[in-house]
Amino acid sequence: AQSVSQHNHHVILSEAASLELGCNYSYGGTVNLFWYVQYPGQHLQLLLKYFSGDPLVKGIKGFEAEFIKSKFSFNLRKPSVQWSDTAEYFCAVNARNRDDKIIFGKGTRLHILP
Amino acid sequence: EAQVTQNPRYLITVTGKKLTVTCSQNMNHEYMSWYRQDPGLGLRQIYYSMNVEVTDKGDVPEGYKVSRKEKRNFPLILESPSPNQTSLYFCASSFYGATEAFFGQGTRLTVV
Repeated sequence: AQSVSQHNHHVILSEAASLELGCNYSYGGTVNLFWYVQYPGQHLQLLLKYFSGDPLVKGIKGFEAEFIKSKFSFNLRKPSVQWSDTAEYFCAVNARNRDDKIIFGKGTRLHILP
Repeated sequence: EAQVTQNPRYLITVTGKKLTVTCSQNMNHEYMSWYRQDPGLGLRQIYYSMNVEVTDKGDVPEGYKVSRKEKRNFPLILESPSPNQTSLYFCASSFYGATEAFFGQGTRLTVV
């Protein structure tokens, strides 16, 4: 069965620090990959997605993610975080051509210190 | 404005009292689903629907029912709520399950 692992459950950084959140998935076939963000008290919003093409994907608010097929990874990065990036981040995977299900990771809670 | 609308946003109820959480989308999406979000467990899918009159169980369907009589609506029904169903619930829709999902604002349910 498909699964998604987010290694960091809770990350605390100072403003201007660089960020990398890990995401690994377990499916050997073709995948669609997503990162969603949930700001405090709000619903999930799409941050970025990868379907095909350039494995380095740029999203909103300066976020980017790199798909490394050999490592089954889709890590999220941002060079310099801001206090407003405080949120919970979810990685999600769909096994293309298998079913329409999107599997979510358990989330990483990011806290940025001003 | 494209959106997924859930109601109510907050609900406190007693064990055993049937309730329905409504979900409506205005984007003509085929695929709709319900998730529950619990601390440390992330998002878990309860039920999903690939089109009108087509529904299927997700990972945690016990204690829930759904229906999809119209494309835009996908209500979640708790026939006999129990305290372990206290959670934050999200409805989501997309053109197909594998494309970007749009989420509702969430329903925080407390069962006492």
